[in-house]
Amino acid sequence: GENVEQHPSTLSVQEGDSAVIKCTYSDSASNYFPWYKQELGKRPQLIIDIRSNVGEKKDQRIAVTLNKTAKHFSLHITETQPEDSAVYFCAAPESGGSNYKLTFGKGTLLTVNP
Amino acid sequence: EADIYQTPRYLVIGTGKKITLECSQTMGHDKMYWYQQDPGMELHLIHYSYGVNSTEKGDLSSESTVSRIRTEHFPLTLESARPSHTSQYLCASSSLGANNSPLHFGNGTRLTVT
Repeated sequence: GENVEQHPSTLSVQEGDSAVIKCTYSDSASNYFPWYKQELGKRPQLIIDIRSNVGEKKDQRIAVTLNKTAKHFSLHITETQPEDSAVYFCAAPESGGSNYKLTFGKGTLLTVNP
Repeated sequence: EADIYQTPRYLVIGTGKKITLECSQTMGHDKMYWYQQDPGMELHLIHYSYGVNSTEKGDLSSESTVSRIRTEHFPLTLESARPSHTSQYLCASSSLGANNSPLHFGNGTRLTVT
């Protein structure tokens, strides 16, 4: 099955700085990579995703980059704000016969200090 | 509004009791999932379903069982609750499968077994 490693486990930045979270995956056939944000006491919500036919995708202050050769993808948040503070999860799908499961990274607790 | 609903939101129950956690979605999704998550920690897949009358066990061994008699309904049952079952249980659904479309999560049920 898929193995997803996520780093760092915690990240503290000053408001206005950038934050980068990195994930690696093991299955070279994986082709869809979502990122979820989970605020304290709330449900995980999709913030951005990327498919393997593109190398980068951007949505306002959030961007995701994908390197299929190296099997890693990263979340970039620019001009961080206190409301960006949350746990962020990356994920990658099982491939082969089962296309219906996502394997999640262990999460990154991002704290943005005002 | 189309969404995924979980009840109860919080549940405190004694050891040995039988409980059912409810999950319903109004988005017409075929794929549904149950994840177990300790606070701020990684998401572990415990059950998933491709459609009606289809259920599979996930990556994390669980003593719970699920059923999928209707497309919109995916309840999870614990026959005999134990303190080790104390956790948050998140239900999710997707339309095309995990390699093509994002998961939509419910608000979760926070279970405490005393």
